[in-house]
Amino acid sequence: GQQLNQSPQSMFIQEGEDVSMNCTSSSIFNTWLWYKQDPGEGPVLLIALYKAGELTSNGRLTAQFGITRKDSFLNISASIPSDVGIYFCAGHPCPYSGGGADGLTFGKGTHLIIQP
Amino acid sequence: GAVVSQHPSRVICKSGTSVKIECRSLDFQATTMFWYRQFPKQSLMLMATSNEGSKATYEQGVEKDKFLINHASLTLSTLTVTSAHPEDSSFYICSAEGQGNTEAFFGQGTRLTVV
Repeated sequence: GQQLNQSPQSMFIQEGEDVSMNCTSSSIFNTWLWYKQDPGEGPVLLIALYKAGELTSNGRLTAQFGITRKDSFLNISASIPSDVGIYFCAGHPCPYSGGGADGLTFGKGTHLIIQP
Repeated sequence: GAVVSQHPSRVICKSGTSVKIECRSLDFQATTMFWYRQFPKQSLMLMATSNEGSKATYEQGVEKDKFLINHASLTLSTLTVTSAHPEDSSFYICSAEGQGNTEAFFGQGTRLTVV
């Protein structure tokens, strides 16, 4: 199936630093979604992107849908301890008809560890 | 965002018994629900896709007779792990999508331990 290459695999940063992670694919994606997963919990949707070039913010989080539709990045500004967790990119590869089609394709996740 | 409730959050069962996990969409109608399995420090692996009122579609390598999926209504899907063995111990997560939506909302996950 489709593969999403997510990097970095893990990040060790100081509190207050900015964070950047990205996902790339060899094929075009219809949507890009960014999720955060805390230990023992299900993923929580952070940002959803639908159009090539779209740039969306959610508080300290900013994500962009690459113009080629094959990549996306997520930035976190001024990290705080509660940002710790695993961040997943996910998307629906083209073609996608919605409701009843394939499940999401996930990246392997970026483990974010923040040192106080 | 929409709310998806998964129950139970943790279950310990004896080898050979069956376990049922429920996934409910609380504030929207989920035309499609997905079941994932996640091993420690790994990404989510799609097990099956279930559409309301029809048979589930299983991913390659997933035994449909072992992981029984029922999606009897637009708000409820169940996953039953039959004759569970220790190797079935894992974190199982469901997600749901509404008609025409491209966002998936996840349940809280179920930690299954088979002893």
